[in-house]
Amino acid sequence: GNSVTQMEGPVTLSEEAFLTINCTYTATGYPSLFWYVQYPGEGLQLLLKATKADDKGSNKGFEATYRKETTSFHLEKGSVQVSDSAVYFCALSVRDTGRRALTFGSGTRLQVQP
Amino acid sequence: SAVISQKPSRDICQRGTSLTIQCQVDSQVTMMFWYRQQPGQSLTLIATANQGSEATYESGFVIDKFPISRPNLTFSTLTVSNMSPEDSSIYLCSVGVTEAFFGQGTRLTVV
Repeated sequence: GNSVTQMEGPVTLSEEAFLTINCTYTATGYPSLFWYVQYPGEGLQLLLKATKADDKGSNKGFEATYRKETTSFHLEKGSVQVSDSAVYFCALSVRDTGRRALTFGSGTRLQVQP
Repeated sequence: SAVISQKPSRDICQRGTSLTIQCQVDSQVTMMFWYRQQPGQSLTLIATANQGSEATYESGFVIDKFPISRPNLTFSTLTVSNMSPEDSSIYLCSVGVTEAFFGQGTRLTVV
């Protein structure tokens, strides 16, 4: 089956620190990979995505590269801000028969301190 | 992209009662997905709702507990039946194939 494993949180960083949130996956088939962000009290928003190996998704200073050889999609940001405090979910979808829903990781809470 | 409106945004319900959550999309879509997010947890797919056919439920979820309607290509409802405190969660609807779009969610508390 399909699964996503994320590093456990919470992750606490000081403003302007470097962020890495690890994500690895297993999938039957060729997945598309996503990072979603959930700010406090809000729904999920797509942060970035990659649909094939070696693709790099990027948005708002965040980046993640689809690494097929290591089945990973780690999220990085060079300099975090207090406003980045949120829960981050790694997810995948596979175009198998009749199912297009996402499989989510457990989520990683990021807290950025001023 | 798609804009999804969910109602209600939150509710507090008595155990043993039922709540119907509505999901409206601003465009026609074939598939709509219902997820549950238990407190501090990730999202778990409840079911996939296709217009004109029965919803497809994931393991651990049954139609008697979570009946779903899909009367047209822009609307769906999820009912949480005979609620208990364990049903306290955020319920989200979602659409999209190449990328998923989510409603704001319904925060349900069962007392």
